[in-house]
Amino acid sequence: QKEVEQNSGPLSVPEGAIASLNCTYSDRGSQSFFWYRQYSGKSPELIMSIYSNGDKEDGRFTAQLNKASQYVSLLIRDSQPSDSATYLCAVYAGGTSYGKLTFGQGTILTVHP
Amino acid sequence: DAGVTQSPTHLIKTRGQQVTLRCSPKSGHDTVSWYQQALGQGPQFIFQYYEEEERQRGNFPDRFSGHQFPNYSSELNVNALLLGDSALYLCASSLGLAGRETQYFGPGTRLLVL
Repeated sequence: QKEVEQNSGPLSVPEGAIASLNCTYSDRGSQSFFWYRQYSGKSPELIMSIYSNGDKEDGRFTAQLNKASQYVSLLIRDSQPSDSATYLCAVYAGGTSYGKLTFGQGTILTVHP
Repeated sequence: DAGVTQSPTHLIKTRGQQVTLRCSPKSGHDTVSWYQQALGQGPQFIFQYYEEEERQRGNFPDRFSGHQFPNYSSELNVNALLLGDSALYLCASSLGLAGRETQYFGPGTRLLVL
């Protein structure tokens, strides 16, 4: 089992729709979770971080965390073509791997006009 | 406020050669992590430096080594290059080691091994 898994893409949504991106993780000791966006040929840029169970909203983005289910998701409301990118879920490991940030393989999102 | 910088942006090497990549962290940050990102994959953690010491290491061979300087900048060295080392190498900086810090990425160095 991979440490961090993301739903396989690519994900295609029409402009204005809600895009839902999912991520599961295996280390039950994980405490910190991040979503990054990566445009083709560029480096990852932070969208949101989340540390507590529940929802966290920032503009059109909402991160949801459920530690019991070891699940974190990202919702993008009113999707725009400029949101087309690869979305990376990242998790800080617990225990002896403290400080090691593990990424999922990424989900490619395409928002079509 | 200067962000994370990396040099060079692109590099072409041949098998067996050695390469050194450089990273300057975001202003105020003291921790540097290095990642390898192959095409179509997420970044893979190589190692992390704090207070000039390697604090964490991923599943990479000893051919990958690093260093952190007193000004917090860092180098990644790869010896005996293999074709499979071709990738985007990312440096990320953060503040401290509490395991909650956001890591901010530099633009990366794209390495091609022929």
